[in-house]
Amino acid sequence: KAGVTQTPRYLIKTRGQQVTLSCSPISGHRSVSWYQQTPGQGLQFLFEYFSETQRNKGNFPGRFSGRQFSNSRSEMNVSTLELGDSALYLCASSLTGGKGETQYFGPGTRLLVL
Amino acid sequence: QKEVEQNSGPLSVPEGAIASLNCTYSDRGSQSFFWYRQYSGKSPELIMSIYSNGDKEDGRFTAQLNKASQYVSLLIRDSQPSDSATYLCAVFNQAGTALIFGKGTTLSVSS
Repeated sequence: KAGVTQTPRYLIKTRGQQVTLSCSPISGHRSVSWYQQTPGQGLQFLFEYFSETQRNKGNFPGRFSGRQFSNSRSEMNVSTLELGDSALYLCASSLTGGKGETQYFGPGTRLLVL
Repeated sequence: QKEVEQNSGPLSVPEGAIASLNCTYSDRGSQSFFWYRQYSGKSPELIMSIYSNGDKEDGRFTAQLNKASQYVSLLIRDSQPSDSATYLCAVFNQAGTALIFGKGTTLSVSS
């Protein structure tokens, strides 16, 4: 079974621009979670989608948004990029997003904001 | 703010030794606990999950959970240089709405 895929793998943007990242979950998985990883803050939860609905949200500004499509693929968007948004963005999928479920991570998208 | 704490390391052990990685969490109602391994430049990969107090063994890895002490640990027996990585402890909050990660412990196994 194919794993979680993310595109693009690398991105370079400038301040003020916006960016869209894509995530395709493992086949059959309906929950997709997004995380931001930086050296200073570690892995931080952004939001989780299930059945095209955002169920949970972390403590990030409204510039960070996402959506999920009927085939469970998900996108996240960051508007008005800031230097501090440079990070590795990871998505993870699980069957239903239940409390005890293992989340499987994709390879990540490394974003550099100049 | 619910937290997961880990020593950042680096933890250095010789090849063949036992590596012991520790994690404490603040949400007393947490029920699900995970250890992920992350190689430099790569994404996290699951090593172990544990839900009940006690030990859970999988090959060279043993996870230990003590909910009363809010403590989770990972033991790696017969450590190999290929085990050199950052180990992330992750805990689902009580509400089950978010997986909270520690900042990770860097393990270095020398041959």
